[in-house]
Amino acid sequence: AQSVTQPDIHITVSEGASLELRCNYSYGATPYLFWYVQSPGQGLQLLLKYFSGDTLVQGIKGFEAEFKRSQSSFNLRKPSVHWSDAAEYFCAVGASKAAGNKLTFGGGTRVLVKP
Amino acid sequence: GAVVSQHPSWVICKSGTSVKIECRSLDFQATTMFWYRQFPKQSLMLMATSNEGSKATYEQGVEKDKFLINHASLTLSTLTVTSAHPEDSSFYICSARDSMNTEAFFGQGTRLTVV
Repeated sequence: AQSVTQPDIHITVSEGASLELRCNYSYGATPYLFWYVQSPGQGLQLLLKYFSGDTLVQGIKGFEAEFKRSQSSFNLRKPSVHWSDAAEYFCAVGASKAAGNKLTFGGGTRVLVKP
Repeated sequence: GAVVSQHPSWVICKSGTSVKIECRSLDFQATTMFWYRQFPKQSLMLMATSNEGSKATYEQGVEKDKFLINHASLTLSTLTVTSAHPEDSSFYICSARDSMNTEAFFGQGTRLTVV
């Protein structure tokens, strides 16, 4: 069975500083990986996804993620955070390219941004 | 991106009553819709997958008689929580995708409180 682990429950970062959110997955076949962001009381917005090819993927809002098969990781990064980046971030693995098709989500990482 | 709308955004109901939550795809035909449940400060758990015109497929441990899902049209799926109890209080989120899209779009969620 597939699983996703986000080791950090909370991360506090200063505005303008860099941000890295960790994600480790367990999946027997080629994983289809996603990062979503959720603002309080809202649904989820897709930041980026990885299916194949270049292991460094660019997403919206200045986010990027790097797929490392040897480490079973798909960490999310942003060089300089903005106050509006404060939210909950979820890493997910899917069984196919169709995002949302039986996605397994990690526990989430809540990001707090200090002025 | 495509828009998925959930209604209502929040609802309070009395224990023992039933509540219906709607998930609509506003500008595309959603051949597949997914229903997730999110407990406070926890991740999303897939409850069921529904395809237009057919019975929903429920995940293990989800009571199909408790959580009735209907996907009668290509733009609407409904989740009915029957005989609601306080432990059913949660945040329910739907997502929808069409047959061609690799991305599923999420609704804004519905917060259900059973008193």
